[in-house]
Amino acid sequence: KNQVEQSPQSLIILEGKNCTLQCNYTVSPFSNLRWYKQDTGRGPVSLTIMTFSENTKSNGRYTATLDADTKQSSLHITASQLSDSASYICVVSSGGYNKLIFGAGTRLAVHP
Amino acid sequence: GAGVSQSPSNKVTEKGKDVELRCDPISGHTALYWYRQSLGQGLEFLIYFQGNSAPDKSGLPSDRFSAERTGGSVSTLTIQRTQQEDSAVYLCASSPRDGRGNPYEQYFGPGTRLTVT
Repeated sequence: KNQVEQSPQSLIILEGKNCTLQCNYTVSPFSNLRWYKQDTGRGPVSLTIMTFSENTKSNGRYTATLDADTKQSSLHITASQLSDSASYICVVSSGGYNKLIFGAGTRLAVHP
Repeated sequence: GAGVSQSPSNKVTEKGKDVELRCDPISGHTALYWYRQSLGQGLEFLIYFQGNSAPDKSGLPSDRFSAERTGGSVSTLTIQRTQQEDSAVYLCASSPRDGRGNPYEQYFGPGTRLTVT
């Protein structure tokens, strides 16, 4: 069964600290992997999209990595800010524009 | 320009009633998706529209769920005889499938929170 597992479920860090969120997937075939940020009460917003051949992609303070061999991805947040408090969702596409498998998300809280 | 909009933002209904949820996609986007997000769960694909092609309804959980997209723009998701397990946030997304921009990108609306009492 195609699955996307994220860890941890929730995380609390202090402002200015770094953190890393994990995503493991068993989706096959694999097309691309994306990370979304979802603020409370809002729709998800795309942070990065990576295809099979890409190992890392950055978007400001967000850096995503992909290991297609081990089927693992991580999202690293540098110098966290209060506005980073949100849910971060890992999404894997198995091919086709309508074949997205969503993880349950990691809820990040950044405290002052 | 304007993003994806959804209405209403919140809907409380009694079990057994029908509800209609509306999605206005980004102008010019030819692909439109509906998802359901239950508490603590990942988004669940419901239905996909692409241009004038027949929609992919493979994610609809039962025949109580249906969706239309009129004129290739606005979409309505209808849930008949609502049940308590239908309570969730219903998200709509649109995507440009005309080659401009990133064809993989989906732009999400803020969602409609449905509560069935």
